[in-house]
Amino acid sequence: DSGVTQTPKHLITATGQRVTLRCSPRSGDLSVYWYQQSLDQGLQFLIQYYNGEERAKGNILERFSAQQFPDLHSELNLSSLELGDSALYFCASSVGNSGGAYGYTFGSGTRLTVV
Amino acid sequence: SQQGEEDPQALSIQEGENATMNCSYKTSINNLQWYRQNSGRGLVHLILIRSNEREKHSGRLRVTLDTSKKSSSLLITASRAADTASYFCATDGGFKTIFGAGTRLFVKA
Repeated sequence: DSGVTQTPKHLITATGQRVTLRCSPRSGDLSVYWYQQSLDQGLQFLIQYYNGEERAKGNILERFSAQQFPDLHSELNLSSLELGDSALYFCASSVGNSGGAYGYTFGSGTRLTVV
Repeated sequence: SQQGEEDPQALSIQEGENATMNCSYKTSINNLQWYRQNSGRGLVHLILIRSNEREKHSGRLRVTLDTSKKSSSLLITASRAADTASYFCATDGGFKTIFGAGTRLFVKA
């Protein structure tokens, strides 16, 4: 157990629907990062939050949004889902505002299947 | 374009042999990290090497960094079947961390 908790583990939904993925960071970590992993695109950085504020944005689609709450858990909202959104979605956390400086702790991921 | 690119894409070895994976990158970095991912699971941080370091060890892992060649290697000695996984390098340039596409290692018992 890495200390980063992601729910749900699996999600199957239809095209056009909206889903919410949830992440609780490791205790003491203030930053949360969201990554998308698909077979053809590898691990793509989506967005980072640090202590409730958006810190950095990567290749996140406009149909996707995220937020970090005062208790530091984060939610990733995916809307108007398309078949191509099927992927593993990972949350990672780090102590400071730069996980690159010390490393990331990853959750076990949410496998999203859009049918 | 990808910052870190691993080579080879896939590697199959016998248990007890050493496994070497390489990572090349394009721009200057603050540090480079290696992660392991078992099939369908989350990535696990293995080791971080800073730009002013040349070599680092952790158990059966040895990482080298050559900033002049913009490359790093991960050596796993005396491999075990449990080492079967994908291995990713991640480069931190200060602004963001970019993960490579990974090397799939298969260790045959």
